[in-house]
Amino acid sequence: GAGVSQSPSNKVTEKGKDVELRCDPISGHTALYWYRQSLGQGLEFLIYFQGNSAPDKSGLPSDRFSAERTGGSVSTLTIQRTQQEDSAVYLCASSFGTGGTEAFFGQGTRLTVV
Amino acid sequence: DQQVKQNSPSLSVQEGRISILNCDYTNSMFDYFLWYKKYPAEGPTFLISISSIKDKNEDGRFTVFLNKSAKHLSLHIVPSQPGDSAVYFCAAKISNFGNEKLTFGTGTRLTIIP
Repeated sequence: GAGVSQSPSNKVTEKGKDVELRCDPISGHTALYWYRQSLGQGLEFLIYFQGNSAPDKSGLPSDRFSAERTGGSVSTLTIQRTQQEDSAVYLCASSFGTGGTEAFFGQGTRLTVV
Repeated sequence: DQQVKQNSPSLSVQEGRISILNCDYTNSMFDYFLWYKKYPAEGPTFLISISSIKDKNEDGRFTVFLNKSAKHLSLHIVPSQPGDSAVYFCAAKISNFGNEKLTFGTGTRLTIIP
């Protein structure tokens, strides 16, 4: 596809369940980012992947959150034992990586934990 | 610790006038700055960027100014149009350490009044 694709676009889950969010970056982009936006808040950094380097996980809010990027392309963000405070829009972005280039965002996954 | 700050949560501007959105940062290591625009239910879209070696970058109706000594940047939109109504995020990164993590501000909601 031409842009960053995220699925599902919406997810409603019960508290305590695990969820997986998927991101397909733009082909050829080596960098991939996950952010989340809670209601009325800014964009909170979660995790960053760059090529084969170890990911920057400094933004993950707890050990219930994890992410992987297989084959340097598709990424999955997993939230275990979801809590109501996990409700947010989860945004994925990709870029060419190093240098002064911009990141392109997907439309996001709106996660609602009930 | 909010390293990128947008102190105005909202701004209203008359159509045709100039919109000025401000952003301050605290980390002097940031050397690349970007502005994103976000409509409801969509991912952020890239608008314009500036490297720290410049103090101005212009693209059509959009101009970004960077004042490194004040650690301040601003986005000027002129003339403002109704379609410019959106939330604007300022972002910054350190581009020379192989970690292109973008740090975002909390956003400014711009409303253009017809």
